[in-house]
Parts: sequence; C-alpha cells; structure tokens
Amino acid sequence: GNSVTQMEGPVTLSEEAFLTINCTYTATGYPSLFWYVQYPGEGLQLLLKATKADDKGSNKGFEATYRKETTSFHLEKGSVQVSDSAVYFCALPIIQGAQKLVFGQGTRLTINP
Amino acid sequence: DAGVTQSPTHLIKTRGQQVTLRCSPKSGHDTVSWYQQALGQGPQFIFQYYEEEERQRGNFPDRFSGHQFPNYSSELNVNALLLGDSALYLCASSLLDRGVLGYGYTFGSGTRLTVV
Repeated sequence: GNSVTQMEGPVTLSEEAFLTINCTYTATGYPSLFWYVQYPGEGLQLLLKATKADDKGSNKGFEATYRKETTSFHLEKGSVQVSDSAVYFCALPIIQGAQKLVFGQGTRLTINP
Repeated sequence: DAGVTQSPTHLIKTRGQQVTLRCSPKSGHDTVSWYQQALGQGPQFIFQYYEEEERQRGNFPDRFSGHQFPNYSSELNVNALLLGDSALYLCASSLLDRGVLGYGYTFGSGTRLTVV
C-alpha cells in the first residue's frame, strides 16, 4: 500500500547550518508529494509540494525534489534559522474515494542560536 | 478570514467515558476530515464528511463516529475511551475534489485529548 517513511528524529542543529530531512515513499503510480510543517501549538501548514517526477517544490528557503528513481522527496535548506524549529511531515495524497493524506512519522527540528 | 476552528483545545477524560470534539471549517469549505495524531507519530486519517455523510473511514473502530451539520461544521465522538485514544485530534477542511492536491486543505490547531 501507499506509505511514507521519514528519517528518525529529533534533529538538532545550530543556526545557519545545512538541513536535510530524508523522506522515501511507496505508492502506486506517481502521486503528488508534500511537506507539511507544524509549529508549536499550531495546526499543520503546507510548506511545499511537487506534483510530478523531477519537480522541485520550494518555499521559505526550503526545497525538495521529487525523485522517482529513488522514490524520495528529501527536504533541504541551506541555512536554517531558530524560527524553523518545528515538526516536519512528509505526506502523499490518496485519491481513492475520499481524498486523504498519508503522513510520515514526523521529524522534530530544533535550531539553537 | 477565519481558518479552521476546533474546540476545546485541551480535554482530560477518564477511561470508559465518551467525548465530543468540534470543528468549524474554513469559510467556503464543504468537506471535513478528521485525523488522529498520537505522540511522536504522523496524523492518521479517521474519516471524512461531505453533505452530512461519511465518505470514507480509515482503520479506526466503531467507537469513533462523527457527524456533519448543514452549516458544514462537524463533530467527532469517541465512546468507551481507552488510554490509547490519548492524542491530538486534527480537523481539516477543504472543497470536495480540491483538497489534498494542495488547493486548499486547511488544518485546525487540534484538540489535545488526554485519557487517564
């Protein structure tokens, strides 16, 4: 079935460090792929998306490239800030019957000044 | 423009009790989905409501039930609470057929349920 696997967390980095959070997926066909972010005390927000293979989604300095060869959608940022501290979820949509999202387990990111 | 509103924000219940969580969708949205997010896990789909009917259910027992009202708001009911039901319950609203593809799947901040 369709599933998403994220790297184990938590991740702690210093400000201005380079960030990579790994995400791999198993799916039928080539679904869209998403990264969601959950800031403390808030709901999930769509951070970026890619709708087809080789697409690159980007937002707020974050990027992720949809790689069908490796079934991956790793999240990267060149220089993280304290304000990036949050939980990040990789997700893919299921469009059979009701539209819904399948999420990875989440990666908690803490950025120290 | 108000987003998705959930109430209450926090709730403590005793094992065996029943609980009702509420969700008001974003203005203009007609579809409500509920997710359970256990501590340290990603959200898991419970069910979705459209036109006051349950469209699809995830892998959750019948103790979990829901309702959608004519104004599109929704309730999630959980009976015979278990310790394992402790989680953050998220509501997401959307326009049917324009939801998960990124066109407007909006999440609320959730209700934190603790079962003791």
